[in-house]
Amino acid sequence: KAGVTQTPRYLIKTRGQQVTLSCSPISGHRSVSWYQQTPGQGLQFLFEYFSETQRNKGNFPGRFSGRQFSNSRSEMNVSTLELGDSALYLCASSSEGANVLTFGAGSRLTVL
Amino acid sequence: QQQVKQSPQSLIVQKGGISIINCAYENTAFDYFPWYQQFPGKGPALLIAIRPDVSEKKEGRFTISFNKSAKQFSLHIMDSQPGDSATYFCAASSMASGTYKYIFGTGTRLKVLA
Repeated sequence: KAGVTQTPRYLIKTRGQQVTLSCSPISGHRSVSWYQQTPGQGLQFLFEYFSETQRNKGNFPGRFSGRQFSNSRSEMNVSTLELGDSALYLCASSSEGANVLTFGAGSRLTVL
Repeated sequence: QQQVKQSPQSLIVQKGGISIINCAYENTAFDYFPWYQQFPGKGPALLIAIRPDVSEKKEGRFTISFNKSAKQFSLHIMDSQPGDSATYFCAASSMASGTYKYIFGTGTRLKVLA
């Protein structure tokens, strides 16, 4: 059974640009959550999607957005990048009603 | 009230020693407390988890101790090995709006010396 796949694994952007990250969940998992990981801050919840609908949202500015497709694949977008957006962005999937998150390896974003 | 406080930030242990990482929470609605282990270049992976109706759960060398009245829980790694060197995150979750909401601690970087 394939795990959670995130692409790209690494990317470098400059301030003001935008970026789109992709996540393919485990087959059969309909819930996809996104987290931002930075040193000292741990994992900060961005948002969660289920059946193409955003079900929960964390405390991030509107520059951070996401969506989910009918095949449960999800994308997150960050517009007008700032230096502070440099982080590891993690995607996690779970099956309905299950209380276990399975994480992908993450997309490491560096903003110059 | 939604925070999970984790300590220490970093930990160095000799091979064969005991590693202890502590977490504290405030929201009594939390009903699931997992620990995740993350190796460099990898995403966090579930290590062990406990529910508040038990005070201890053991899986191999890993044990969670849970103190409901103090709202604290800890991870104990017995006979620590160099392969245990990783970052450990505690978390707390509760059901809300049809889904489980997770709050993660800030992480503990463990280094086990050979």
